[in-house]
Amino acid sequence: AQSVSQHNHHVILSEAASLELGCNYSYGGTVNLFWYVQYPGQHLQLLLKYFSGDPLVKGIKGFEAEFIKSKFSFNLRKPSVQWSDTAEYFCAAATRGYQKVTFGTGTKLQVIP
Amino acid sequence: EAQVTQNPRYLITVTGKKLTVTCSQNMNHEYMSWYRQDPGLGLRQIYYSMNVEVTDKGDVPEGYKVSRKEKRNFPLILESPSPNQTSLYFCASSGTGTGLEPTTGELFFGEGSRLTVL
Repeated sequence: AQSVSQHNHHVILSEAASLELGCNYSYGGTVNLFWYVQYPGQHLQLLLKYFSGDPLVKGIKGFEAEFIKSKFSFNLRKPSVQWSDTAEYFCAAATRGYQKVTFGTGTKLQVIP
Repeated sequence: EAQVTQNPRYLITVTGKKLTVTCSQNMNHEYMSWYRQDPGLGLRQIYYSMNVEVTDKGDVPEGYKVSRKEKRNFPLILESPSPNQTSLYFCASSGTGTGLEPTTGELFFGEGSRLTVL
């Protein structure tokens, strides 16, 4: 069965620090990959997505992610975090004709002013 | 405004009392799905639907039912709720696919429904 793993459950950073959140998926076929963000008390919103092409994708609010096929990874990065980035971040993979969307367990990011 | 609307947003109920959480989208999306979110477990898919009258089980379908009689609506039914179904539920839809694939997996989420079963 497909799965998505997020290695960091809780990350605390100071403002202006760089961020990298790990995400690995286990599936041998074609996958579409996503990062979603959930701000406190809100629903999930799409940060960025990867379908094909350039493995470095840019999303909203200065976030980017790199798809490394050989490592089955899709790590999220941001050069300089802000207090407003405090949220929970979910990695997701869509397989099997993209009907099956599997989420990781999420990473809570806390940014300290 | 494009949106996915869930009701109720908050509900406290008792074991065994049937309830329905409604979900409606106004984007003419073919694909809809239900997830539950639990601390430390992330989002787990309950059921999904590729189109009207087409539904399939996700990873945690036990204790839930769904129906898709209209394209815009995808209600989640708990016939006999139990305390282990206390959770935050999200409905999502997708219409970003082309051809034979009605979705790319990119989801638009509702605001969530927090359900407590006593």
